[in-house]
Amino acid sequence: QLVLTQSPSASASLGASVKLTCTLSSGHRSYAIAWHQLQPEKGPRLLMMLNSDGSHTKGDGIPDRFSGSSSGAERFLTISSLQSEDEADYYCQTWGTGIRVFGTGTKVTVL
Amino acid sequence: EVQLVESGGGLVQPGGSLRLSCAASGFTVSKKYMSWVRQAPGKGLEWVSLIYDTGITHYADSVKGRFTISRDNSENTLYLQMTSLRAEDTAVYYCAGDSDTSGLDYWGQGTLVSVSS
Repeated sequence: QLVLTQSPSASASLGASVKLTCTLSSGHRSYAIAWHQLQPEKGPRLLMMLNSDGSHTKGDGIPDRFSGSSSGAERFLTISSLQSEDEADYYCQTWGTGIRVFGTGTKVTVL
Repeated sequence: EVQLVESGGGLVQPGGSLRLSCAASGFTVSKKYMSWVRQAPGKGLEWVSLIYDTGITHYADSVKGRFTISRDNSENTLYLQMTSLRAEDTAVYYCAGDSDTSGLDYWGQGTLVSVSS
């Protein structure tokens, strides 16, 4: 079964960096994922698509502060130089034939 | 510029029906995969339904047999017909452009559906 696992929360100080993890279920470690940001009172937006080799393609207008990397079944999103507007929920998402799957989401708090 | 605008949400009684619309601009709905995604209060994102450019459709188990995804090519609009609604269908519903190479790549702002007596 295709499942994505995320930690429920993460926090870091203004101007610091935070690294979020999304883990693919057994048997699916080669899958690409997408990272999405959901800010309060706003619709979601695509941050990037991230391949298993760590290559990634960002969504429209996404700043360089957002970067992605991969290791085995883990997919990472790193936010550098944290700003107040980065306080949001972050979801990883993947896909198969006829199915789309979301992780449980990570709430990022900017201290 | 790509834009997706949902409408049609509202308050409906359990067992009732509602049709959501998603008007697209900046691309052609019939040439792209499209999905509906929802977020219940205090919960995470949940994929609901997908329509391929071929017209083939897929549904999450939680809505299968009750929801129908469709599109109107002349209006460049995506729809979600929801029937036999339950309290647990209460959520903000988003339409999204979809792709097998980049995931859900464009999102609307969402429309709220509340199922309550």
